[in-house]
Amino acid sequence: DAGITQSPRHKVTETGTPVTLRCHQTENHRYMYWYRQDPGHGLRLIHYSYGVKDTDKGEVSDGYSVSRSKTEDFLLTLESATSSQTSVYFCAIRTSGSSYEQYFGPGTRLTVT
Amino acid sequence: EDQVTQSPEALRLQEGESSSLNCSYTVSGLRGLFWYRQDPGKGPEFLFTLYSAGEEKEKERLKATLTKKESFLHITAPKPEDSATYLCAVQVDSGNTPLVFGKGTRLSVIA
Repeated sequence: DAGITQSPRHKVTETGTPVTLRCHQTENHRYMYWYRQDPGHGLRLIHYSYGVKDTDKGEVSDGYSVSRSKTEDFLLTLESATSSQTSVYFCAIRTSGSSYEQYFGPGTRLTVT
Repeated sequence: EDQVTQSPEALRLQEGESSSLNCSYTVSGLRGLFWYRQDPGKGPEFLFTLYSAGEEKEKERLKATLTKKESFLHITAPKPEDSATYLCAVQVDSGNTPLVFGKGTRLSVIA
């Protein structure tokens, strides 16, 4: 357990509404990541952060934005949710040092109707 | 382009029937290869990191090995509780680039 929590764990929302998912960690890891996981696609990186206010895009960043105003929290926002964003979203942290290991949170299941 | 391919997509074993899962990779420079286990409705759980060809890691009935082009996850005498999806990922280049994941192998072990 790497001390990662995600909220909410489940959400149903309507097309066009904004949605924010939260990832919280308790161990001050510098790197944090947001992935989505869909059948047939596996885990795909949306955005990641390498420090407070330092973020970068991943493979599938269109339609998503992120913010990190403090070390422990990494927020993922869908500005205007679409049905194609129905997915399971995972947050991860990377341990410090040279190991590069990532540890994942429990996930958020988002349904956009 | 860095790629990770896992095979087979799905594998069904009888309890006690040993087998291997494959993860082949095409990357510019391997810094590390990772194996994860994922149970339905949960986040991936870290299993192993391998850094160089010839390296092996073991945990209970699982053993991971690494060559210059692929990794194998050997499962010896599996039990039903080993049923899960197994994911492989690689870290390339400087280490600051994100992991590249394969799509996983879904393992079912039947009693």
